[in-house]
Amino acid sequence: DTAVSQTPKYLVTQMGNDKSIKCEQNLGHDTMYWYKQDSKKFLKIMFSYNNKELIINETVPNRFSPKSPDKAHLNLHINSLELGDSAVYFCASSQRGSNYGYTFGSGTRLTVV
Amino acid sequence: AQSVTQLDSQVPVFEEAPVELRCNYSSSVSVYLFWYVQYPNQGLQLLLKYLSGSTLVKGINGFEAEFNKSQTSFHLRKPSVHISDTAEYFCAVSDLRSDYKLSFGAGTTVTVRA
Repeated sequence: DTAVSQTPKYLVTQMGNDKSIKCEQNLGHDTMYWYKQDSKKFLKIMFSYNNKELIINETVPNRFSPKSPDKAHLNLHINSLELGDSAVYFCASSQRGSNYGYTFGSGTRLTVV
Repeated sequence: AQSVTQLDSQVPVFEEAPVELRCNYSSSVSVYLFWYVQYPNQGLQLLLKYLSGSTLVKGINGFEAEFNKSQTSFHLRKPSVHISDTAEYFCAVSDLRSDYKLSFGAGTTVTVRA
């Protein structure tokens, strides 16, 4: 069983479209994250939810809206996609207050054309 | 806030040679340190972590790292690499003050040649 699963794995779409990426974890963790990895491989945190509550909201355009229906799911919706949104988006999970690090999904490669 | 600097952006190495990837961190409180590996077109996998105790940490695939508090470093080593070790390696740090938010270094690309 995959611990943190993301769908889709690849997403190619045109500028201006709206798209969503889904993430689910079956580890029983209470905190989930979205990271963006740019073309230079740099990883930057975007959002974090703990038990459906937003706890980290870095400087991200408001075209990006996370939604957490329950603590096992964290989705990322992106409106009006731009070329600069092309990147790999990683979902991760952890147990808040634990120092054991995060478990990552395999990523969603988003290409905006 | 904590931060991580990976001192080498690219490390080419021959098969069966040793490799060391350097990582320095800054934090005003006690830290927890991690090394993750990202194989081509895959997600991040935890190699090893330092939480407390022994400063020499052993991880998967023959990797080890040493925590050096006085030099604020957490360098990763492997005595003999394989072609399959070709990947991107990320050092990361978290601490209690940041609510264990994981901050990553810029990554080191390791390319192993035959």
